[in-house]
Formats: sequence, structure tokens, C-alpha cells
Amino acid sequence: IAGITQAPTSQILAAGRRMTLRCTQDMRHNAMYWYRQDLGLGLRLIHYSNTAGTTGKGEVPDGYSVSRANTDDFPLTLASAVPSQTSVYFCASRQGTSVGNEQFFGPGTRLTVL
Amino acid sequence: GQNIDQPTEMTATEGAIVQINCTYQTSGFNGLFWYQQHAGEAPTFLSYNVLDGLEEKGRFSSFLSRSKGYSYLLLKELQMKDSASYLCAVAGFQKLVFGTGTRLLVSP
Repeated sequence: IAGITQAPTSQILAAGRRMTLRCTQDMRHNAMYWYRQDLGLGLRLIHYSNTAGTTGKGEVPDGYSVSRANTDDFPLTLASAVPSQTSVYFCASRQGTSVGNEQFFGPGTRLTVL
Repeated sequence: GQNIDQPTEMTATEGAIVQINCTYQTSGFNGLFWYQQHAGEAPTFLSYNVLDGLEEKGRFSSFLSRSKGYSYLLLKELQMKDSASYLCAVAGFQKLVFGTGTRLLVSP
């Protein structure tokens, strides 16, 4: 593994189902983020984690949960998917504690909720 | 809160120069990023400005004026591969807030 990986690449999901999007990084970055990207709305922060064991809410956290049990993994869970959660989801990570360090993005997961 | 504005779409010709503007209003400011995103791909880092002035990096330059809440990304000697979306993002406390992005179309 090099950088950030996300799984699955794409998924079609029935409304009401539970879904976990996976994100793993091998750069030993402290901070990790989940964004969703929708046409005309840009990237919006869902949840973030500044270090293993801590998480925080972003701009659009409702309907999503995260955990950060270790440095490398930051899964995003949709407890009961709804069609408005149809989006492209990007995971990102950042080295160190400075917000001025660049964020590295994973390849994204395209999720469709029917 | 934070409000970030950038044009939705721009067009330019191969070999030309284009300037993409970004204006912001923010309650906390720790710098401004520009990212490039090709269709169907992840955003990739272009530049970071925290002090006023121009930062040049090859064909790309980024400018910041903190007093005016204004930044621009300047792309010189445009190439077809520069057709992409360009995202302006303001760094607050531990987080980035992104603008909606500017889609740049470069034509021959």
C-alpha cells in the first residue's frame, strides 16, 4: 500500500441498509478526514480525527459515524442509508499537527443509495 | 462561519494565461490552499499561502491578500492537461473549508 486507499470503489445500496466505507493510510499521518463531494456544493467535511482515539464533527455529520481505533484506519459508517447520501466520498489525511500541511486524498468511493 | 466564492466555470486557450479568483470571509484564518481535481479523480495539492504575496511554482502561481480576503491562482502557458477543476480552500482551526470549485476548460 502506498498513500491512501479506499474501499469499495463504488457501491449501489438500498435505502435503509447499513454501509461502512473503508479508508486506510500507510503514511503514519495523525489527522484524517471524510468529505463528500456533490455537484455544485463542492467538498464538505463530514467527520475528522486529529489523532487516534479522537474524532470530531464536520459541516455535515448527520447520518454518519466514524471511529479511529488506530493511526492507519478511519472507517465511515452510514447506519441507515438514505438517497440524499448519494455522493462521492473522499478520505484524506494530513501529516503532523499544523493545519498548513497539505491534505492527501484517497481515490474516492462513489455511493448510490436507491 | 466561512464563505468562499470562486467562479463556476472558465474557458481559455492553449498557451494562454488564466487567473482564477477566490474571495473568502472567515472567522479564523490559517492559510489558503489551492487544489487541482481532474474529472473522476481525487484532489491534488497545488499551493498553500499563509502570508501576503505571490508564491510561484513553475507554471502555477498563487497570490494572497489577507486584508482583502482574496486569493488567485495564475496558470501560465496553458496546456490541455490543465483542464480540471480548481478548488480554493481556507484553513481554519484544524480543518479546511472548500469553495465549490472552478471548472477550467482549455481548448486548442
